[in-house]
Amino acid sequence: DGGITQSPKYLFRKEGQNVTLSCEQNLNHDAMYWYRQDPGQGLRLIYYSQIVNDFQKGDIAEGYSVSREKKESFPLTVTSAQKNPTAFYLCASTLAGGISDTQYFGPGTRLTVL
Amino acid sequence: GQQVMQIPQYQHVQEGEDFTTYCNSSTTLSNIQWYKQRPGGHPVFLIQLVKSGEVKKQKRLTFQFGEAKKNSSLHITATQTTDVGTYFCAGLEGSAGNMLTFGGGTRLMVKP
Repeated sequence: DGGITQSPKYLFRKEGQNVTLSCEQNLNHDAMYWYRQDPGQGLRLIYYSQIVNDFQKGDIAEGYSVSREKKESFPLTVTSAQKNPTAFYLCASTLAGGISDTQYFGPGTRLTVL
Repeated sequence: GQQVMQIPQYQHVQEGEDFTTYCNSSTTLSNIQWYKQRPGGHPVFLIQLVKSGEVKKQKRLTFQFGEAKKNSSLHITATQTTDVGTYFCAGLEGSAGNMLTFGGGTRLMVKP
């Protein structure tokens, strides 16, 4: 089955620790995205990548970092510089780099920083 | 920057009643997409509207794109408990290089 996987589903970390969230897709999509969702809020774009080895900042990139070494993978690191990291993190992909393409979302990772 | 507002934020309805959520953009959009997120789940694409004044239907769901391409609506006829979830609109501004901007969502709750 083709799709996007994110792991783990729930993640707990101590304050001050960096943590990396994984996102893998086998849809052969070119573009991948990371969003953050807070309770009762919409989705805010953190980073996106339209092609391997290239990525751009979204609206709330501060305190986050990404890499895109492979087409299938787009891991997100939440660094200790992120002031309010507790949130629901969603990864998405689109077939081509066109942002108007349909976004396919993974199941999400719920990060709680204690 | 572009802003996309959705109203209402929450809506409780009795099963069988109709429901409408409205999406308004501060700028003209080239297209608008609608997504549904079930409680505890992830957003799932419903539909995309591109043309001014466009109306599309999916069973009990009717989607409209305004004539000025700055607003959109989703109407559900005779709601069912399976319609429960948060409905998001996401708009793409006309200029190149812009990203989708999501509205805050409307959370629909249906009483059986």
